[in-house]
Amino acid sequence: DQQVKQNSPSLSVQEGRISILNCDYTNSMFDYFLWYKKYPAEGPTFLISISSIKDKNEDGRFTVFLNKSAKHLSLHIVPSQPGDSAVYFCAVVNYGGSQGNLIFGKGTKLSVKP
Amino acid sequence: DGGITQSPKYLFRKEGQNVTLSCEQNLNHDAMYWYRQDPGQGLRLIYYSQIVNDFQKGDIAEGYSVSREKKESFPLTVTSAQKNPTAFYLCASSRPATNTEAFFGQGTRLTVV
Repeated sequence: DQQVKQNSPSLSVQEGRISILNCDYTNSMFDYFLWYKKYPAEGPTFLISISSIKDKNEDGRFTVFLNKSAKHLSLHIVPSQPGDSAVYFCAVVNYGGSQGNLIFGKGTKLSVKP
Repeated sequence: DGGITQSPKYLFRKEGQNVTLSCEQNLNHDAMYWYRQDPGQGLRLIYYSQIVNDFQKGDIAEGYSVSREKKESFPLTVTSAQKNPTAFYLCASSRPATNTEAFFGQGTRLTVV
């Protein structure tokens, strides 16, 4: 059973508007969350992270929100740019049985149209 | 420059042959990981290693083997027992027990012909 779920495989947004990518997780013990961006045929690159002691972390156009009670996090990109078109992976660090292990969602493909 | 390097970027092998994918990091990270990406499947963990001379199976370890003789290196062998080896393989490293991100290599596209 998936521990990290990104239920939207794709998202299309107009340039300049907000992109909201969602991620749900099942284990309330997870306490560190990351977003990665991936272009085709390249390795993922780290985008932004959030610890469970926070509910928001901002870095330029990117903001991650964490709702622990709902076990939900979201990535907001404002304003969206065509260069943001990529696959975005949500990941959690699983310190439970395998310290330092990362669990990834299946990704959401974002397309930003000019 | 510190980083993580995978080689080669593209690799072709004949069915029934073993092939080894290289992953090297100079970030002084203790933990290293191998993931496989298939279309629509996200990143699936094959093997990981928290420390030299120790490694653990991930979710899809069957048909793969690894070694961790040096901190910097974590090669992955795709054996002939792997039924669907054609995929994009990603190596990553991190410092476990710290809230820091993992760094990924650029990936190796393996095609079985």
